[in-house]
Amino acid sequence: AQSVTQLDSQVPVFEEAPVELRCNYSSSVSVYLFWYVQYPNQGLQLLLKYLSGSTLVKGINGFEAEFNKSQTSFHLRKPSVHISDTAEYFCAVRVRGTGGFKTIFGAGTRLFVKA
Amino acid sequence: KAGVTQTPRYLIKTRGQQVTLSCSPISGHRSVSWYQQTPGQGLQFLFEYFSETQRNKGNFPGRFSGRQFSNSRSEMNVSTLELGDSALYLCASSSTSGDTQYFGPGTRLTVL
Repeated sequence: AQSVTQLDSQVPVFEEAPVELRCNYSSSVSVYLFWYVQYPNQGLQLLLKYLSGSTLVKGINGFEAEFNKSQTSFHLRKPSVHISDTAEYFCAVRVRGTGGFKTIFGAGTRLFVKA
Repeated sequence: KAGVTQTPRYLIKTRGQQVTLSCSPISGHRSVSWYQQTPGQGLQFLFEYFSETQRNKGNFPGRFSGRQFSNSRSEMNVSTLELGDSALYLCASSSTSGDTQYFGPGTRLTVL
């Protein structure tokens, strides 16, 4: 069975500081990897995804993530955060099965950017 | 292209009532999935429809049901509402390749 662990439930950080949100997954089969962001009372917005190819993927709003197969990790990074980055971030894996795809989400990391 | 749309955005119901939520996927997408999001349980998968057929189902009671129409629009129904059904219900669509899901803004259901 697949699982996704987001290692930090909350990450406070000062504005303009760098941030890393950690995500580890377990799966015995190949997965697609995603980061989504959710602002209050809104849906999930796709930040970036890894399907294949280069292990460093760049997304919207200056975020990037690196797929590390040996460590089964997909950590999200941003070199300099803004107040507007305050939101909840979800890591997800998507696996192809006999009945189509299945998505497993992490519990989320709440990023709080302080002035 | 327009994104995934969900209506209504907010709903208030009382226990015992039933509710129907609607989701219109991105044009050309044939797969629609539904999720329930609560502070305690996080994001939980309800079901997925593809070309009008339920392809996958999560671990929810039979009070939760859904359907998909020939234009790929989907509806979700919850009967005999309980207080614990209060949640944000999210719909996501994906193309035939299925590799990426795109989410709608959600419907916030409050059961009193």
